[in-house]
Amino acid sequence: GDSVTQMEGPVTLSEEAFLTINCTYTATGYPSLFWYVQYPGEGLQLLLKATKADDKGSNKGFEATYRKETTSFHLEKGSVQVSDSAVYFCALSDQGYSTLTFGKGTMLLVSP
Amino acid sequence: SAVISQKPSRDICQRGTSLTIQCQVDSQVTMMFWYRQQPGQSLTLIATANQGSEATYESGFVIDKFPISRPNLTFSTLTVSNMSPEDSSIYLCSVEGGSLYGYNEQFFGPGTRLTVL
Repeated sequence: GDSVTQMEGPVTLSEEAFLTINCTYTATGYPSLFWYVQYPGEGLQLLLKATKADDKGSNKGFEATYRKETTSFHLEKGSVQVSDSAVYFCALSDQGYSTLTFGKGTMLLVSP
Repeated sequence: SAVISQKPSRDICQRGTSLTIQCQVDSQVTMMFWYRQQPGQSLTLIATANQGSEATYESGFVIDKFPISRPNLTFSTLTVSNMSPEDSSIYLCSVEGGSLYGYNEQFFGPGTRLTVL
């Protein structure tokens, strides 16, 4: 079955540091890939997505590229802010299906 | 994006009681989903709720424990029945974006934080 593997957290960074959160996946078809963010005490928000190989999703300075050859969708940001502190979830939706398969989430803590 | 609200936002309940969580969407959507997020864990899909048909439950979840209603295209409820402390979780509803916002894209409600004593 489908699965998503994320790096374990927490990831602790200083403000303006470079961020990478690794995500790899296993799927039978050609999935769509997503990053969701959950700020403390809130629900999930879609951060970015990519629907086919080599697509790059981007939003709020975050980027992730759909790499079919390595089955990866790593999240990056060049300069993190304290307000980026949250839990980040990588997820996939297999072709033709609406349900999402989530990774376990990675907590990001950014200090001033 | 679709705007989704949930009621209640949080509740503290006694063991053995039941709680019904409401999910309201600002537009008509075909597919709605209910997830559970246990403390420190990822999201687990409970069931898919389509209007006019029985909900489809994932492995490990049964209708007697988590009955779902979907009376129209903008509303759904999830009931957590005969609760135990193990049911303490955040319960989230989500909707598929559909033709308006994109298939295979989901939007989530703010969640209902349930604590069972």
